[in-house]
Amino acid sequence: KAGVTQTPRYLIKTRGQQVTLSCSPISGHRSVSWYQQTPGQGLQFLFEYFSETQRNKGNFPGRFSGRQFSNSRSEMNVSTLELGDSALYLCASSFSTSTDTQYFGPGTRLTVL
Amino acid sequence: AQKVTQAQTEISVVEKEDVTLDCVYETRDTTYYLFWYKQPPSGELVFLIRRNSFDEQNEISGRYSWNFQKSTSSFNFTITASQVVDSAVYFCALSERGTGGFKTIFGAGTRLFVKA
Repeated sequence: KAGVTQTPRYLIKTRGQQVTLSCSPISGHRSVSWYQQTPGQGLQFLFEYFSETQRNKGNFPGRFSGRQFSNSRSEMNVSTLELGDSALYLCASSFSTSTDTQYFGPGTRLTVL
Repeated sequence: AQKVTQAQTEISVVEKEDVTLDCVYETRDTTYYLFWYKQPPSGELVFLIRRNSFDEQNEISGRYSWNFQKSTSSFNFTITASQVVDSAVYFCALSERGTGGFKTIFGAGTRLFVKA
């Protein structure tokens, strides 16, 4: 069974731009969660989607948004990029809820210049 | 609020030594889930174990073992006879139902160096 895939793996943007990251969960998994990982703040929960609905949200500004499609694939968008948004963005899929085992993708490394 | 504390920032051991990674959590819920993940240099988090709050049995999987003690809110992870390939960052995580549904909080991680 294929694992969680994330595209692109690396991205370089400049301040003020926007970016869209994509995540394809494991087949049959309906919950997708997004995390931001930085050296200073560690792993922080962004949001969780289930059946195309955002079920939970972390403490991030509205510039961070996401969505989930009917095939469970998910995208997250960051608008008006800031230098502090440089991070590894990790997507995790689970069967039903985030209390099920979450399987992580390789991440997207975003660098904002 | 839920919280996960991994007090050990970095640990360095010599191959074949045993090493224990500590994890202390805080939660008000009676139903919660605890996890350990490994993050090797490649960056991808690898699932190691999931434990629910009603199951305090310790678990052993090969060289890995976990000690869950609700009385001290700890979920410690021991690697026996460590190997160089065990070098990674290890994260403990807690998932519980919050106001908006289940949330998973990760500890800061413990970086383990295993020297040959």
